[in-house]
Amino acid sequence: SQQGEEDPQALSIQEGENATMNCSYKTSINNLQWYRQNSGRGLVHLILIRSNEREKHSGRLRVTLDTSKKSSSLLITASRAADTASYFCATDMNAGNMLTFGGGTRLMVKP
Amino acid sequence: DAGVIQSPRHEVTEMGQEVTLRCKPISGHDYLFWYRQTMMRGLELLIYFNNNVPIDDSGMPEDRFSAKMPNASFSTLKIQPSEPRDSAVYFCASSPGGGHEQFFGPGTRLTVL
Repeated sequence: SQQGEEDPQALSIQEGENATMNCSYKTSINNLQWYRQNSGRGLVHLILIRSNEREKHSGRLRVTLDTSKKSSSLLITASRAADTASYFCATDMNAGNMLTFGGGTRLMVKP
Repeated sequence: DAGVIQSPRHEVTEMGQEVTLRCKPISGHDYLFWYRQTMMRGLELLIYFNNNVPIDDSGMPEDRFSAKMPNASFSTLKIQPSEPRDSAVYFCASSPGGGHEQFFGPGTRLTVL
Protein backbone atom coordinates (compact mmCIF):
# COMPACT_ATOMS: atom_id res chain seq x y z
CA SER A 1 0.00 0.00 0.00
CA GLN A 2 1.14 3.54 -0.61
CA GLN A 3 2.58 5.44 2.31
CA GLY A 4 1.62 8.82 0.91
CA GLU A 5 -1.75 9.73 -0.53
CA GLU A 6 -2.25 13.00 -2.35
CA ASP A 7 -5.42 15.00 -2.39
CA PRO A 8 -6.96 16.04 -4.69
CA GLN A 9 -6.14 13.58 -7.46
CA ALA A 10 -6.70 16.31 -10.03
CA LEU A 11 -6.84 20.10 -9.83
CA SER A 12 -7.64 22.64 -12.52
CA ILE A 13 -7.07 26.36 -11.93
CA GLN A 14 -6.54 29.59 -13.84
CA GLU A 15 -3.14 31.15 -14.28
CA GLY A 16 -2.36 33.47 -11.40
CA GLU A 17 -4.35 31.49 -8.85
CA ASN A 18 -2.78 29.53 -6.01
CA ALA A 19 -2.73 25.74 -6.03
CA THR A 20 -2.75 23.66 -2.87
CA MET A 21 -2.06 19.94 -2.79
CA ASN A 22 -2.16 17.76 0.28
CA CYS A 23 -0.39 14.59 1.25
CA SER A 24 -1.21 12.21 4.08
CA TYR A 25 0.95 9.36 5.26
CA LYS A 26 0.68 6.52 7.72
CA THR A 27 3.90 5.99 9.67
CA SER A 28 6.61 8.13 11.22
CA ILE A 29 9.00 9.72 8.76
CA ASN A 30 12.50 11.10 8.64
CA ASN A 31 11.67 13.54 5.87
CA LEU A 32 9.05 14.21 3.24
CA GLN A 33 9.82 15.29 -0.31
CA TRP A 34 7.80 16.76 -3.15
CA TYR A 35 8.50 16.02 -6.80
CA ARG A 36 7.08 17.28 -10.08
CA GLN A 37 6.63 15.21 -13.20
CA ASN A 38 5.90 16.74 -16.56
CA SER A 39 4.16 14.52 -19.07
CA GLY A 40 6.55 11.96 -20.52
CA ARG A 41 9.44 13.02 -18.31
CA GLY A 42 11.21 11.87 -15.18
CA LEU A 43 10.50 13.25 -11.74
CA VAL A 44 12.17 16.44 -10.61
CA HIS A 45 12.83 17.15 -6.95
CA LEU A 46 11.16 20.32 -5.64
CA ILE A 47 11.66 20.49 -1.92
CA LEU A 48 12.58 18.37 1.10
CA ILE A 49 11.23 19.00 4.57
CA ARG A 50 12.60 17.17 7.59
CA SER A 51 10.48 15.80 10.39
CA ASN A 52 11.63 18.53 12.79
CA GLU A 53 10.65 21.30 10.38
CA ARG A 54 7.18 22.77 10.06
CA GLU A 55 7.44 24.98 7.02
CA LYS A 56 9.78 25.53 4.12
CA HIS A 57 9.84 27.92 1.19
CA SER A 58 11.45 27.78 -2.22
CA GLY A 59 10.54 30.52 -4.67
CA ARG A 60 6.79 30.26 -5.29
CA LEU A 61 6.59 26.98 -3.38
CA ARG A 62 5.60 26.66 0.25
CA VAL A 63 5.55 23.31 2.02
CA THR A 64 4.15 22.63 5.45
CA LEU A 65 4.48 19.51 7.56
CA ASP A 66 2.28 18.48 10.47
CA THR A 67 3.73 15.32 11.99
CA SER A 68 0.93 15.08 14.55
CA LYS A 69 -1.59 14.79 11.73
CA LYS A 70 0.82 12.94 9.45
CA SER A 71 0.14 15.36 6.65
CA SER A 72 1.90 17.83 4.40
CA SER A 73 0.76 20.46 1.94
CA LEU A 74 2.36 22.01 -1.11
CA LEU A 75 1.27 25.50 -2.07
CA ILE A 76 2.18 26.98 -5.44
CA THR A 77 1.49 30.69 -5.50
CA ALA A 78 0.74 32.76 -8.59
CA SER A 79 0.56 29.68 -10.77
CA ARG A 80 1.70 29.66 -14.38
CA ALA A 81 0.76 27.48 -17.32
CA ALA A 82 4.24 25.94 -17.06
CA ASP A 83 3.32 24.58 -13.61
CA THR A 84 1.01 22.10 -15.32
CA ALA A 85 2.32 18.72 -14.23
CA SER A 86 1.78 15.89 -11.76
CA TYR A 87 3.01 16.47 -8.23
CA PHE A 88 4.05 13.65 -5.92
CA CYS A 89 4.87 13.49 -2.27
CA ALA A 90 7.38 10.91 -1.13
CA THR A 91 8.18 9.82 2.39
CA ASP A 92 11.53 8.69 3.74
CA MET A 93 10.81 6.62 6.80
CA ASN A 94 14.26 5.70 8.05
CA ALA A 95 16.83 7.97 6.39
CA GLY A 96 17.96 4.89 4.56
CA ASN A 97 17.03 6.56 1.33
CA MET A 98 14.03 4.43 0.44
CA LEU A 99 11.24 6.70 -0.70
CA THR A 100 7.60 5.70 -0.90
CA PHE A 101 5.63 7.75 -3.40
CA GLY A 102 1.99 8.68 -3.34
CA GLY A 103 -0.34 8.51 -6.32
CA GLY A 104 0.15 12.14 -7.27
CA THR A 105 -1.98 15.20 -7.98
CA ARG A 106 -2.46 16.18 -11.61
CA LEU A 107 -2.42 19.97 -11.81
CA MET A 108 -3.63 21.84 -14.85
CA VAL A 109 -3.08 25.58 -15.01
CA LYS A 110 -5.12 27.23 -17.73
CA PRO A 111 -3.69 30.32 -19.41
CA ASP B 1 26.79 16.96 -15.28
CA ALA B 2 24.48 15.26 -17.78
CA GLY B 3 22.24 13.91 -15.07
CA VAL B 4 21.05 10.32 -14.89
CA ILE B 5 21.19 8.68 -18.29
CA GLN B 6 18.92 5.84 -19.31
CA SER B 7 18.80 3.77 -22.46
CA PRO B 8 16.93 2.94 -24.49
CA ARG B 9 14.24 5.62 -24.18
CA HIS B 10 11.68 3.40 -25.83
CA GLU B 11 11.60 -0.37 -26.20
CA VAL B 12 9.00 -2.43 -27.97
CA THR B 13 9.39 -6.17 -27.76
CA GLU B 14 7.37 -9.32 -28.02
CA MET B 15 6.30 -11.50 -25.16
CA GLY B 16 8.98 -13.97 -24.17
CA GLN B 17 11.90 -11.83 -25.28
CA GLU B 18 14.65 -10.67 -22.96
CA VAL B 19 14.74 -6.96 -22.21
CA THR B 20 17.71 -5.08 -20.77
CA LEU B 21 17.40 -1.54 -19.51
CA ARG B 22 20.50 0.51 -18.76
CA CYS B 23 21.32 3.33 -16.39
CA LYS B 24 24.27 5.60 -15.74
CA PRO B 25 23.92 7.45 -12.44
CA ILE B 26 25.30 10.86 -11.62
CA SER B 27 29.01 10.64 -10.86
CA GLY B 28 29.69 10.53 -7.14
CA HIS B 29 26.23 9.35 -6.14
CA ASP B 30 26.35 6.33 -3.86
CA TYR B 31 22.75 5.23 -4.24
CA LEU B 32 20.95 3.95 -7.33
CA PHE B 33 17.28 3.11 -7.58
CA TRP B 34 15.07 1.37 -10.12
CA TYR B 35 11.38 2.30 -10.22
CA ARG B 36 8.44 1.22 -12.33
CA GLN B 37 5.51 3.54 -13.10
CA THR B 38 2.10 2.43 -14.34
CA MET B 39 -1.30 4.04 -14.28
CA MET B 40 -2.69 1.28 -12.11
CA ARG B 41 0.06 0.98 -9.51
CA GLY B 42 1.74 4.37 -9.63
CA LEU B 43 5.46 4.63 -8.93
CA GLU B 44 6.94 1.53 -7.33
CA LEU B 45 10.48 1.01 -6.05
CA LEU B 46 11.85 -2.21 -7.48
CA ILE B 47 15.37 -2.34 -6.05
CA TYR B 48 18.10 -0.05 -4.81
CA PHE B 49 21.88 -0.23 -4.50
CA ASN B 50 24.33 1.43 -2.15
CA ASN B 51 27.94 1.50 -3.31
CA ASN B 52 27.08 -1.05 -6.01
CA VAL B 53 25.60 -3.52 -3.51
CA PRO B 54 21.88 -4.42 -3.70
CA ILE B 55 20.28 -3.37 -0.42
CA ASP B 56 16.59 -4.02 -0.88
CA ASP B 57 15.03 -5.94 -3.74
CA SER B 58 11.70 -6.61 -2.08
CA GLY B 59 9.95 -4.63 -4.80
CA MET B 60 11.13 -6.86 -7.61
CA PRO B 61 7.90 -8.46 -8.76
CA GLU B 62 9.16 -11.86 -9.87
CA ASP B 63 12.22 -13.92 -10.54
CA ARG B 64 11.94 -12.81 -14.15
CA PHE B 65 13.35 -9.49 -12.99
CA SER B 66 17.01 -9.07 -12.11
CA ALA B 67 19.27 -6.07 -11.58
CA LYS B 68 23.01 -5.64 -11.44
CA MET B 69 25.45 -2.86 -10.73
CA PRO B 70 28.89 -4.03 -11.80
CA ASN B 71 30.48 -0.65 -11.09
CA ALA B 72 29.65 2.80 -9.78
CA SER B 73 28.74 4.17 -13.20
CA PHE B 74 26.48 1.49 -14.65
CA SER B 75 23.44 -0.58 -13.76
CA THR B 76 21.11 -2.86 -15.67
CA LEU B 77 17.59 -4.08 -15.10
CA LYS B 78 16.77 -7.25 -16.99
CA ILE B 79 13.44 -8.91 -17.61
CA GLN B 80 13.55 -12.46 -18.92
CA PRO B 81 11.14 -13.57 -20.25
CA SER B 82 9.09 -10.42 -20.70
CA GLU B 83 5.30 -10.40 -20.45
CA PRO B 84 2.68 -7.84 -21.57
CA ARG B 85 2.00 -6.88 -17.94
CA ASP B 86 5.59 -5.67 -17.69
CA SER B 87 4.68 -2.77 -19.97
CA ALA B 88 5.44 0.39 -18.02
CA VAL B 89 7.86 3.27 -17.74
CA TYR B 90 11.01 2.27 -15.87
CA PHE B 91 12.96 4.99 -14.11
CA CYS B 92 16.44 4.96 -12.73
CA ALA B 93 17.38 7.47 -10.04
CA SER B 94 20.51 8.24 -8.07
CA SER B 95 21.21 10.03 -4.82
CA PRO B 96 24.32 11.32 -3.06
CA GLY B 97 23.40 9.81 0.29
CA GLY B 98 20.82 8.73 2.80
CA GLY B 99 18.00 11.16 3.46
CA HIS B 100 18.75 13.21 0.35
CA GLU B 101 16.79 14.03 -2.77
CA GLN B 102 16.81 11.65 -5.69
CA PHE B 103 17.67 12.58 -9.26
CA PHE B 104 15.63 10.79 -11.86
CA GLY B 105 16.51 9.80 -15.39
CA PRO B 106 14.11 10.37 -18.29
CA GLY B 107 12.81 6.82 -18.12
CA THR B 108 12.47 3.91 -20.52
CA ARG B 109 9.01 3.29 -21.91
CA LEU B 110 8.67 -0.47 -22.33
CA THR B 111 5.93 -2.04 -24.38
CA VAL B 112 5.64 -5.81 -24.45
CA LEU B 113 3.32 -7.07 -27.15
